[in-house]
Amino acid sequence: GAVVSQHPSRVICKSGTSVKIECRSLDFQATTMFWYRQFPKKSLMLMATSNEGSKATYEQGVEKDKFLINHASLTLSTLTVTSAHPEDSSFYICSAREQGGHNEQFFGPGTRLTVL
Amino acid sequence: KQEVTQIPAALSVPEGENLVLNCSFTDSAIYNLQWFRQDPGKGLTSLLLIQSSQREQTSGRLNASLDKSSGRSTLYIAASQPGDSATYLCAVRNAGNMLTFGGGTRLMVKP
Repeated sequence: GAVVSQHPSRVICKSGTSVKIECRSLDFQATTMFWYRQFPKKSLMLMATSNEGSKATYEQGVEKDKFLINHASLTLSTLTVTSAHPEDSSFYICSAREQGGHNEQFFGPGTRLTVL
Repeated sequence: KQEVTQIPAALSVPEGENLVLNCSFTDSAIYNLQWFRQDPGKGLTSLLLIQSSQREQTSGRLNASLDKSSGRSTLYIAASQPGDSATYLCAVRNAGNMLTFGGGTRLMVKP
């Protein structure tokens, strides 16, 4: 199957700093990328959907000024958590849908964010 | 609004058993259904994708069925192994092209 990578896999930062997470589709072009958040022992919660070259669509309750999403190319999307606070600590997973594919989504390995 | 439920939430079985994981969804107007595996602290690995026009898909010891009209899917795992221990997530895609996830089933296969 298609491969999606995320970087970094783990990040620890101080409260108030901003953290950028990269999501790349390695062997396919992704017109649409998704960002999810997962709390311990819980399922995935969709945060936002981004289409290449367009502004991201955020789910209800997700602050767009807090979680900045950029999808500048067909293989790269970034999520920046601005002025991070301890409550932002979570597991963030990105997903990419292949252009012209069977609508199957491929998921990255996730990024564990810990805000001290 | 689509809701996806997985039963049981957790399951512990001895090695070698055949087992069934259940997934139900409230809106039968789906485009496809996907089963994923997630190991602790890791991302999702797609196991099987069933299109709405299909009734089942098989991959190795895994078999997934889909009954769209009743809003149900099952994941059958034959001859379970300790390496199968993980969380299994079911997700449905609706006509709006969005995936809705169930809460997952945490499986433990004891040697």
